[in-house]
Amino acid sequence: RKEVEQDPGPFNVPEGATVAFNCTYSNSASQSFFWYRQDCRKEPKLLMSVYSSGNEDGRFTAQLNRASQYISLLIRDSKLSDSATYLCVVNDFNKFYFGSGTKLNVKP
Amino acid sequence: SAVISQKPSRDICQRGTSLTIQCQVDSQVTMMFWYRQQPGQSLTLIATANQGSEATYESGFVIDKFPISRPNLTFSTLTVSNMSPEDSSIYLCSAGPQGGELFFGEGSRLTVL
Repeated sequence: RKEVEQDPGPFNVPEGATVAFNCTYSNSASQSFFWYRQDCRKEPKLLMSVYSSGNEDGRFTAQLNRASQYISLLIRDSKLSDSATYLCVVNDFNKFYFGSGTKLNVKP
Repeated sequence: SAVISQKPSRDICQRGTSLTIQCQVDSQVTMMFWYRQQPGQSLTLIATANQGSEATYESGFVIDKFPISRPNLTFSTLTVSNMSPEDSSIYLCSAGPQGGELFFGEGSRLTVL
């Protein structure tokens, strides 16, 4: 079983749409959680950390459900520039495991 | 934040040869890791580079194939030994504080003929 599982997509959405990505993780003892963004042929970059209380950064909202071992990312009012692959990342005792990524295509 | 420089950024190598990738971080960091990203796939953790001691390898990766050095808190190398076409991939160095955000180098794109 993979450490981190994501729907690979692609999600094709029009500009202005709201889109949600989900991720599940296998180790209930995992300590911290992140969403990273990776553009084509570029390295991953941190989008946001994920906390149990949920956190919001502009159009982006991340949530963690420890009981269900589930992480989500919500993007509101999608922009063309949001097109990328979104990677769910789990920190297990200072090892970072990446999901397969969910590809988002925002179209005009 | 940390700025990570990797070199080479890309290389084309012959089967059976070895290539060493260097990773330099602009500040002292606790954690350094090496990842591999094959075309169209996500990142797979190869190993944790431990300062002054042997690296900790993930399942499926061994020291003889991927020897790693980390002589200090800002520098690490990954060697891909006895290369085959299956080793063609992007190799990414990453670093960060314990429990915090991971930063990545731009990657080293390796093609093995």
